[in-house]
Amino acid sequence: NAGVTQTPKFQVLKTGQSMTLQCAQDMNHEYMSWYRQDPGMGLRLIHYSVGAGITDQGEVPNGYNVSRSTTEDFPLRLLSAAPSQTSVYFCASSYQGGNYGYTFGSGTRLTVV
Amino acid sequence: KNEVEQSPQNLTAQEGEFITINCSYSVGISALHWLQQHPGGGIVSLFMLSSGKKKHGRLIATINIQEKHSSLHITASHPRDSAVYICAVSGGGYGGSQGNLIFGKGTKLSVKP
Repeated sequence: NAGVTQTPKFQVLKTGQSMTLQCAQDMNHEYMSWYRQDPGMGLRLIHYSVGAGITDQGEVPNGYNVSRSTTEDFPLRLLSAAPSQTSVYFCASSYQGGNYGYTFGSGTRLTVV
Repeated sequence: KNEVEQSPQNLTAQEGEFITINCSYSVGISALHWLQQHPGGGIVSLFMLSSGKKKHGRLIATINIQEKHSSLHITASHPRDSAVYICAVSGGGYGGSQGNLIFGKGTKLSVKP
């Protein structure tokens, strides 16, 4: 089925560990983005990409790294996990963002202990 | 002041009631999105509006660009409508990208049988 695939669904990390959250879409969307969702805060943009080879920072980029080597994939890397990064992470894609509909992944619940 | 404000934050209704969720924004936008998130679940896009009104089944979304206000209505509400409804706008953006979404904090709806 066409859509956005996020893995893993759940993850527990120890402080200082690194990991990569995977995001893949098969809709040939140019725009992809990562958000974190925290209680009482709403969704906040971490990083986004408007096409392969192009990435930019969002509202809360510190501690995260991204790359976009293909149109399909947009992985999010946590360089050295901290308890403040405990959150639910969502990846989303859109044909060109903004005036086009968004498709969200099912989310990754990350706990850093 | 948040750029996207939703009201109410929490809403409890009886099955069959007509429900209205409001969204006000303070930035210039190109489109407004209504999203739905079931407990523990992913995020689904319901509507994208740039003017007027859209209807899908029992859901109706309206937007008044001059007043910077949108409403989401649910007619003949049902317990399966229980979810968090999130308003998001695009066009303000970070880093100059028109594709980025700015989210409200969501309205938690509970429909009792």
